[in-house]
Amino acid sequence: DVKVTQSSRYLVKRTGEKVFLECVQDMDHENMFWYRQDPGLGLRLIYFSYDVKMKEKGDIPEGYSVSREKKERFSLILESASTNQTSMYLCASSLNGPSYEQYFGPGTRLTVT
Amino acid sequence: AQSVTQLGSHVSVSEGALVLLRCNYSSSVPPYLFWYVQYPNQGLQLLLKYTSAATLVKGINDFEAEFKKSETSFHLTKPSAHMSDAAEYFCAVSGAGGTSYGKLTFGQGTILTVHP
Repeated sequence: DVKVTQSSRYLVKRTGEKVFLECVQDMDHENMFWYRQDPGLGLRLIYFSYDVKMKEKGDIPEGYSVSREKKERFSLILESASTNQTSMYLCASSLNGPSYEQYFGPGTRLTVT
Repeated sequence: AQSVTQLGSHVSVSEGALVLLRCNYSSSVPPYLFWYVQYPNQGLQLLLKYTSAATLVKGINDFEAEFKKSETSFHLTKPSAHMSDAAEYFCAVSGAGGTSYGKLTFGQGTILTVHP
């Protein structure tokens, strides 16, 4: 059974803190993605990676960075958390190619106070 | 550029009634289209996908969707709603070329409520 796991389901951080969200997939997928989900806005792509150490900005990369040192692990970093980064964060992975579906983790609900 | 519009942020049906969730897309290349479902406090799960093999696509839990190129639509239907279908549904398009290659663009989501 394919699996994408995320390090935390719920996280509460203070403004200005550095936040790490981690995602691990066990399917040997080339592609990994980070999205944020907000009511009425659907899912918006923050960053994606198509190979180890390779990354590309998505639609809303400002205030975020990513790291992919191993194929199975993709980390999202909030360098200095702000209240407008309070959201649901979803990680996904897929094989390389537009016809392949993405497999999603359960999400991390981050609250920044 | 590619985009997806889901008509209706909320849809309410009675148990046993037809479910119809609407999705229109915009894509400069032949699209790949997906429907995902998200149950409360969970990630997204694939319902079905269109990859040009057949215009009528069948998915899990008796859902199906029909690709209509002339209408740029990919509406999701289910003949008879069940209480367990209550969830949020997302339509997405995957780009086959250029800067959109392999990336999904999602619609805003439609929350389906099923009444007894």
